[in-house]
Amino acid sequence: DVKVTQSSRYLVKRTGEKVFLECVQDMDHENMFWYRQDPGLGLRLIYFSYDVKMKEKGDIPEGYSVSREKKERFSLILESASTNQTSMYLCASSSQPRNEQFFGPGTRLTVL
Amino acid sequence: KQEVTQIPAALSVPEGENLVLNCSFTDSAIYNLQWFRQDPGKGLTSLLLIQSSQREQTSGRLNASLDKSSGRSTLYIAASQPGDSATYLCAVSPPGSNYQLIWGAGTKLIIKP
Repeated sequence: DVKVTQSSRYLVKRTGEKVFLECVQDMDHENMFWYRQDPGLGLRLIYFSYDVKMKEKGDIPEGYSVSREKKERFSLILESASTNQTSMYLCASSSQPRNEQFFGPGTRLTVL
Repeated sequence: KQEVTQIPAALSVPEGENLVLNCSFTDSAIYNLQWFRQDPGKGLTSLLLIQSSQREQTSGRLNASLDKSSGRSTLYIAASQPGDSATYLCAVSPPGSNYQLIWGAGTKLIIKP
């Protein structure tokens, strides 16, 4: 079974802090994704990566950056956390050509 | 522009019933369609993926169908159980994209014991 893990289930940070969210997958998938999920807005893609060191902006990249130094690991970085970044963050991975996305358990981030 | 709709937004049925969840999409040109379930406060679990060339997929008590010409997919759940209570989301992948998913808003399903 595909396993996608995220570093924290719950995280509380202060406004202005730098925040790192880590995601690891164990199925050698080339594609990895970061989404945020908010009530009434559904899932929105922040960034995705189709290979090591490669990244593409999704629908809402502002205020975020990403890093993919190894194939199995994809990090989401909030350079200076703000209260409007309080959300559920979901990581996913997939492989060509099937493109079935598998999700991690999510990180509930609260920015105070 | 592709849009995905799931109606109803919420559904409550007694345990043991067979039920159908609906997913509609506006553009029949899709690469695949995926059904997920999400428990409160948790991540998404992939249930079934139907490629554009397929008509249906089955996994246990779940059966998903795809009719591209009418822009519809259904998720059939047989002999529903309280443990099936969750939000069910469908998402379509446009052709030529290796990442994009267009999401429906989900149907919140409650199975009453």
